[in-house]
Amino acid sequence: GQSLEQPSEVTAVEGAIVQINCTYQTSGFYGLSWYQQHDGGAPTFLSYNALDGLEETGRFSSFLSRSDSYGYLLLQELQMKDSASYFCAVRESGAPGGSYIPTFGRGTSLIVHP
Amino acid sequence: DGGITQSPKYLFRKEGQNVTLSCEQNLNHDAMYWYRQDPGQGLRLIYYSQIVNDFQKGDIAEGYSVSREKKESFPLTVTSAQKNPTAFYLCASRTRVGINQPQHFGDGTRLSIL
Repeated sequence: GQSLEQPSEVTAVEGAIVQINCTYQTSGFYGLSWYQQHDGGAPTFLSYNALDGLEETGRFSSFLSRSDSYGYLLLQELQMKDSASYFCAVRESGAPGGSYIPTFGRGTSLIVHP
Repeated sequence: DGGITQSPKYLFRKEGQNVTLSCEQNLNHDAMYWYRQDPGQGLRLIYYSQIVNDFQKGDIAEGYSVSREKKESFPLTVTSAQKNPTAFYLCASRTRVGINQPQHFGDGTRLSIL
């Protein structure tokens, strides 16, 4: 089985940098994904890390350390519109028929203050 | 534009009633998924389908049923056996080409009990 841990809530001010951590336990591992979900809306894909290191996409970056079973999402130059929930998700190897079945964390609510 | 359409956006169920949530995608994706989201919780997998006419139970399939008669459609029925159906339901799809492809989500259906 799999389990993921991420903080339930993070607060920051506009223009700041915030890091949302995710630790996971799996019996196999393919990669770590991050999704953003605004209240009552559809989750949208942000990033995917299969290998160790930092992936940068604009103001958002994602990091993975497979040896530590740890990753984080880094949001820079925070804007009010970044207030949302952020979910990490792990795809475990060994799913039936090679199916893509991610397990999601409980989500981190990011609150950005003016 | 391609995407996933869930309907209705809001749905109310009476005691003992079955209700069906619609999910249609025009992304030509083979895989489709149904998730349940409760407040403060991550996404929990109900059912998934990798190809037409085939589907598998997820972690919380009891009280739910699905069908996959067409590639574009993956309706979810919440049966009267589901004793706590009030939740936000999300449908997702994904291409099976490539291992790094993310899931695409619909805008969700919010189900409540009358």
